[in-house]
Amino acid sequence: QAVVTQEPSLTVSPGGTVTLTCGSSTGAVTSGHYPYWFQQKPGQAPRTLIYDTYNKHSWTPARFSGSLLGGKAALTISGAQPEDEAEYYCLLSYDKTRVFGGGAKLTVL
Amino acid sequence: QVQLVESGGGVVQPGTSLRLSCAASGFTFSTYTMHWVRQAPGKGPEWVAVISYDGRNKYTDSVKGRFTISRDNSKNTLYLQMNSLRAEDTAVYFCASLGGFGVAPTGHWGQGTLVTVSS
Repeated sequence: QAVVTQEPSLTVSPGGTVTLTCGSSTGAVTSGHYPYWFQQKPGQAPRTLIYDTYNKHSWTPARFSGSLLGGKAALTISGAQPEDEAEYYCLLSYDKTRVFGGGAKLTVL
Repeated sequence: QVQLVESGGGVVQPGTSLRLSCAASGFTFSTYTMHWVRQAPGKGPEWVAVISYDGRNKYTDSVKGRFTISRDNSKNTLYLQMNSLRAEDTAVYFCASLGGFGVAPTGHWGQGTLVTVSS
């Protein structure tokens, strides 16, 4: 089974920009991995932010964007807000099965 | 509005079985691919299984042969039959609409149901 890797922790200043990445042990992440990004706060279910690399749901704030960057999937937060402090998880597809990354703890400070 | 409500969790002994349900409303359940995801205490989410609108399915390696995902489109309900439960299956189990098999996701998650496997 593939291993999906994320930075364990990142810090961003309020109003700043931060990029979280998601790599695959099988090689470069492509659109064919249909990358998803989720935000999770303590005691809550995950919330889907991005699907299929860059698509947003109706509830996804405009400051969140998804892309492919340097062989990885990426989630960029432009103009971070205090409420963005959370755990972020990516999810990649491998022939219909899925694998989550280990998560990235984002601190807004 | 879209709602996914899981039920069926509880405390069970190792080696026993449990069936989880996920009642869906607010969208055309029968046309969407559905997933089960679990999250052990203090850990990140782990993808468990997926089922297409017409019953095609896939599982993570650790539950193959023990868990069965199914759906009843007439009842707008998703199921997860869990057999031969192990301590490592202890987790909150979520159902979610995360797409797949050519179908876009709604992106919604339920609130989860806790399964504790302990003697």
